[in-house]
Amino acid sequence: GAVVSQHPSWVICKSGTSVKIECRSLDFQATTMFWYRQFPKQSLMLMATSNEGSKATYEQGVEKDKFLINHASLTLSTLTVTSAHPEDSSFYICSGGSGNTIYFGEGSWLTVV
Amino acid sequence: KNQVEQSPQSLIILEGKNCTLQCNYTVSPFSNLRWYKQDTGRGPVSLTIMTFSENTKSNGRYTATLDADTKQSSLHITASQLSDSASYICVVPRRRGSYIPTFGRGTSLIVHP
Repeated sequence: GAVVSQHPSWVICKSGTSVKIECRSLDFQATTMFWYRQFPKQSLMLMATSNEGSKATYEQGVEKDKFLINHASLTLSTLTVTSAHPEDSSFYICSGGSGNTIYFGEGSWLTVV
Repeated sequence: KNQVEQSPQSLIILEGKNCTLQCNYTVSPFSNLRWYKQDTGRGPVSLTIMTFSENTKSNGRYTATLDADTKQSSLHITASQLSDSASYICVVPRRRGSYIPTFGRGTSLIVHP
């Protein structure tokens, strides 16, 4: 079946640095992918919709200059957390669709120290 | 107010027992509803997807029901196993024709031996 691969699975970075998370659709083309963050014991919160070849659409309250999204190809979307701070520490997940089904990546744990 | 409400928030059952999780939604018109299982620290995995014309759908020990009139869905787990311990999430599109998902907060299920 369709698979969405996310990398890295976990990352620790220093405060003030930037971190890039990749999301790849392995056996389907994704013109649209979604990025979420999830705090412990809370539901997934949609951050932005990544559109291939155009600008991402951000949800209200999400800083587009802080969370840079690039969707340069039909199989790859990236999320870059710029100037990361400890409060950005969270579980980040991407998803992509094929047909009528949404497939989620395995998620990326970000810890900012 | 969240457009997707799940109950109970958490549930503890003994291995081998059955349980039912509830999902009420207010998104209208309705097009489809998905149930996902999310293990701690992992991305969600699809269990079922139901359209407005379907009343019930099974996937192994998981059976989902849907009442589009009352805008309610349930997920019934039969003969629970320890591996069923996870968060179960109900997802509907933000609005009809939309591919942007709206998530419930999930039900945290713990199966004890």
